[in-house]
Formats: sequence, structure tokens, C-alpha cells
Amino acid sequence: NAGVMQNPRHLVRRRGQEARLRCSPVKGHSHVYWYRQLPEEGLKFMVYLQKENIIDESGMPKERFSAEFPKEGPSILRIQQVVRGDSAAYFCASSQNTGTANYGYTFGSGTRLTVV
Amino acid sequence: EDKVVQSPLSLVVHEGDTVTLNCSYEVTNFRSLLWYKQEKKAPTFLFMLTSSGIEKKSGRLSSILDKKELSSILNITATQTGDSAIYLCAVDTGTASKLTFGTGTRLQVTL
Repeated sequence: NAGVMQNPRHLVRRRGQEARLRCSPVKGHSHVYWYRQLPEEGLKFMVYLQKENIIDESGMPKERFSAEFPKEGPSILRIQQVVRGDSAAYFCASSQNTGTANYGYTFGSGTRLTVV
Repeated sequence: EDKVVQSPLSLVVHEGDTVTLNCSYEVTNFRSLLWYKQEKKAPTFLFMLTSSGIEKKSGRLSSILDKKELSSILNITATQTGDSAIYLCAVDTGTASKLTFGTGTRLQVTL
């Protein structure tokens, strides 16, 4: 009974490269959320997706960031032309229904992106 | 803008002590308040609170919500070194179910 799987766990990119972060939700979960955690800060909401649809991307920077959750395969958070300020831990969470139900989200272990 | 504030920011206690962590919120729409424990990896769910005055309990941890004061506390009794973690408070504002998190309280339990 695998939880939310994120990969890679650690990712190092040079400035200007692209970063792709993957998230496989809990089996049967059709709702995926991405959060970013900067050093010494709380998690900040980025985007909420259901299969093939972006429901809320109000926390996503307008440029260079995009997310998808295709019908088949994991959700992908893509950051183009990374800059040092993108260095952070990116967490994915999934839920079965809309909302946190009775148990909150299930979070993945995160991808720690370092831009050098 | 929705806001969640946690205090203290960090705390060092001795094993066996009892600690109280605080969370206050200012949000336009409240659906529930959640507590998570974050060690070096994924935040793990502790409690979800929706009603004032009803204590949720799990072993040595307990939590209660005060909707009048717009706040919640998380209590840990007889602390152990394994309780050392960052404790995150979050509010579900019901808007696409995204959570607004506080910055967390870093708890260190020493021998």
C-alpha cells in the first residue's frame, strides 16, 4: 500500500536548466496538490490538479512553472530556466475526494531542488 | 490574505516535560484546522479539528480548537526524543481544499 511517491528525492540543476519533479499519488486518489517549502518557512500552496485538469493554480508563479496530471502516469511539476530562488523542497500531496476528508492529505517525502 | 501563525517558533525541552504548541489563524473562510508532524521527510497527519471545544487525542498528543479565539493548541505530555520534529498547523479554507500553513514550531526534546 504505497503512499505518495515523489522522485527524485534530490535534484541539482544549474541556473537556466529545466527541473522536472514527479509525483505518483496514492492508488485511487485522483486529487493532487503541490506545495513548496522554502528554508525556515511553512509550506505554500502552488497548484491543485485532478486528472487532466488544473483546478486551482493561484499559488503558482506566472512564469517558468507549469504542472500537469495526465490520464496515465504521474503528476509533473516543471520549472523552466531555474534560478537560485527556486531552491526549495517541493511536496506533493494526494487525496481521494475533494477536500481533506477525515485524515488530511497524504504527503510525499518531497523533492529537494538545489539550483547552483 | 489568509494567515496562520504558530508559536513559539522553536522550543527545547527535557524528556518527560509537557509542551503546548499554539496556532492562531485569520482566514476568510474556515473549514477545518489540521496538525502535522514533519521530521526529515513527509509531513504526517496528526489531527483534524472542525468543532470548538472537542478534544482530539492520540496517545500522548492531544489538540483542541477554539473558534471564538481563532486558535488551537497541540499538547504533548511526557515528551520523548522521538517527538523532536517540526509541528505544522494548517487551515483548510475550503477553497479548492488548499491548505494555508503556519511556519511551524521546531521542537527538540533532549535527554
